[in-house]
Amino acid sequence: NAGVTQTPKFQVLKTGQSMTLQCAQDMNHEYMSWYRQDPGMGLRLIHYSVGAGITDQGEVPNGYNVSRSTTEDFPLRLLSAAPSQTSVYFCASRSNLETQYFGPGTRLLVL
Amino acid sequence: EDQVTQSPEALRLQEGESSSLNCSYTVSGLRGLFWYRQDPGKGPEFLFTLYSAGEEKEKERLKATLTKKESFLHITAPKPEDSATYLCAVQAPGFQKLVFGTGTRLLVSP
Repeated sequence: NAGVTQTPKFQVLKTGQSMTLQCAQDMNHEYMSWYRQDPGMGLRLIHYSVGAGITDQGEVPNGYNVSRSTTEDFPLRLLSAAPSQTSVYFCASRSNLETQYFGPGTRLLVL
Repeated sequence: EDQVTQSPEALRLQEGESSSLNCSYTVSGLRGLFWYRQDPGKGPEFLFTLYSAGEEKEKERLKATLTKKESFLHITAPKPEDSATYLCAVQAPGFQKLVFGTGTRLLVSP
C-alpha cells in the first residue's frame, strides 16, 4: 500500500512552458485535492474532486487545470507556467471518514 | 470567512520541557479540526481529528484538545525527534476544503 504518490519530486520550468504534475493513490479514496504551499502562507486549495469525472475549483484555481478519469489518478496541469506558480505542490486524498493523507510533494521552480 | 491562526510561529524547547501550541479558528460551524505534523521536505502527516468542544485525543507525547474557539496541542517531555512544523486545519460543514494555519515550527534541543 503506497498511499499517495506524486511525480516528479522536483521540476524546473521556463515561463510559458506547460507541464503535468502526477498524483496517484491506491486507497480507493473518493476525495482528492491539490494544494500549494508557499512560505508564510498556509496550504491553499487549488482544485479538488469528489469522485471520478467530478472536479471543482478551490481558492486559487487560476492557471491550473485538473481532470479525474479514474479513482486512482488526479493530475494537475499547468497551462502556461508563470514565476508566481513557483511553489511546493501537494496532492491529498481521503475517504468520507475525513482523515486526509498527503503525498510527498512536488517542488516547482518557474524561471 | 473561515480563518485559522496558529501561535507561536516558532518555539524552541529543551528536551523534556513541556509546552503547548495554539490554534485559534473562526468557522461557520465546525465539522472537524485537524492537526498535522510536517517534516522538512515532506508532506503533512496526519495526527488528530477533533470534532466537538471538550474532545481530547492523545498519541505518545502529544495531546490535542478542543474548545469552541481554539485547539491546543500539548507536548509533554518532548524529544529532539518531535522537532517539526505542526499544522492546524479546520473544515466547515458542506465544504470539501480544509483551511490551514501557517503552522508552528518546533525545535527541541537535546
